[in-house]
Amino acid sequence: GAVVSQHPSRVICKSGTSVKIECRSLDFQATTMFWYRQFPKQSLMLMATSNEGSKATYEQGVEKDKFLINHASLTLSTLTVTSAHPEDSSFYICSAVEPPGQTYNEQFFGPGTRLTVL
Amino acid sequence: DAKTTQPPSMDCAEGRAANLPCNHSTISGNEYVYWYRQIHSQGPQYIIHGLKNNETNEMASLIITEDRKSSTLILPHATLRDTAVYYCIVIYSSASKIIFGSGTRLSIRP
Repeated sequence: GAVVSQHPSRVICKSGTSVKIECRSLDFQATTMFWYRQFPKQSLMLMATSNEGSKATYEQGVEKDKFLINHASLTLSTLTVTSAHPEDSSFYICSAVEPPGQTYNEQFFGPGTRLTVL
Repeated sequence: DAKTTQPPSMDCAEGRAANLPCNHSTISGNEYVYWYRQIHSQGPQYIIHGLKNNETNEMASLIITEDRKSSTLILPHATLRDTAVYYCIVIYSSASKIIFGSGTRLSIRP
């Protein structure tokens, strides 16, 4: 199957700083990427849908000004957590989807980024 | 809300078949059943998907009832590495956003 990478795999930052997480599709082009968040012992929660060349669509309750998403190319989407606070500490996971009609008919997930805000 | 219902946990002996059930009684005619699993501290991994017919690949088999209101994921020879949370998902296509339920935590005992 296709590969989706995330960078960094884990990051520790101080409260009030901003953190950028990258999601890349390594061997396919992804017109759509999704961002999820997962707290300990809980399921994944969808945060937003990122479409290449357009603004992201955020799920209800997710602050778009706090979680900035940029999908500037067909292989890269970034999530920036602005002015991070300890309650933003979580496991952030992205997924990527090829355009319709291409090779894969599945959504590929990245390995996740563990964010710890002190 | 997730449109599927799964038991919160199951266990299976190593080497035996693990059968994970999923109810999706409100599935519509053009929605697929997808299964993913998540090993601790990793991203979800695609396992298999189907629409109406039973499907099999190198990882698992998917049995979908004739009325499509439920399905069973079968891991034919479970190993310790199959210990994970298994998610049954109903979506229109791979490009659909996924609303994850709480899944089934599968434990494989030696």
